[in-house]
Amino acid sequence: EAGVTQFPSHSVIEKGQTVTLRCDPISGHDNLYWYRRVMGKEIKFLLHFVKESKQDESGMPNNRFLAERTGGTYSTLKVQPAELEDSGVYFCASSQGQVEDTQYFGPGTRLTVL
Amino acid sequence: AQSVTQPDIHITVSEGASLELRCNYSYGATPYLFWYVQSPGQGLQLLLKYFSGDTLVQGIKGFEAEFKRSQSSFNLRKPSVHWSDAAEYFCAVGARGYQKVTFGTGTKLQVIP
Repeated sequence: EAGVTQFPSHSVIEKGQTVTLRCDPISGHDNLYWYRRVMGKEIKFLLHFVKESKQDESGMPNNRFLAERTGGTYSTLKVQPAELEDSGVYFCASSQGQVEDTQYFGPGTRLTVL
Repeated sequence: AQSVTQPDIHITVSEGASLELRCNYSYGATPYLFWYVQSPGQGLQLLLKYFSGDTLVQGIKGFEAEFKRSQSSFNLRKPSVHWSDAAEYFCAVGARGYQKVTFGTGTKLQVIP
């Protein structure tokens, strides 16, 4: 069974540009999460989808970040326009339907904004 | 709000030595507790989790952790470290009834021969 995949693995962009990160969860997982780790800091929750609906987006930094999950399958996280402080590693995770179900993480996308 | 403290940023141990990584949490009730590991170039992998029941939890790769409510701690242990255990370890807490997870800042483990 394939795990959570993320694309790209690395992205280097200039301040003001737009970047879109993609996450493909494990097939059949209703829950999808985005997290971010800024260099040297903790991994912080960004948002949580249940199927195609946003369950909690309390961790989204500001309105430059837009997450979507079309059809309840893959998800995208767009940053527009990117700022220097957006640099970090963006992780995606997925889990099945129950609260106790394990969150399986992808390898992350390392975003560098110059 | 829940929070996690991992006081050790970096730990070095000799191969074959025992290991204990510290984790303290803050949460108003009994939380869900987790330990994840991230090896270089890999995603986070769940080592073990505590939801209820026996406070000593066994995980993968020979790791265990003990939930101590009185100390608000969930320390990770391994009796004999292998070179392949070199990685970054994250303690995390989740609120019961909800899947949002709060992570600590991580502890990097270096294993020397």
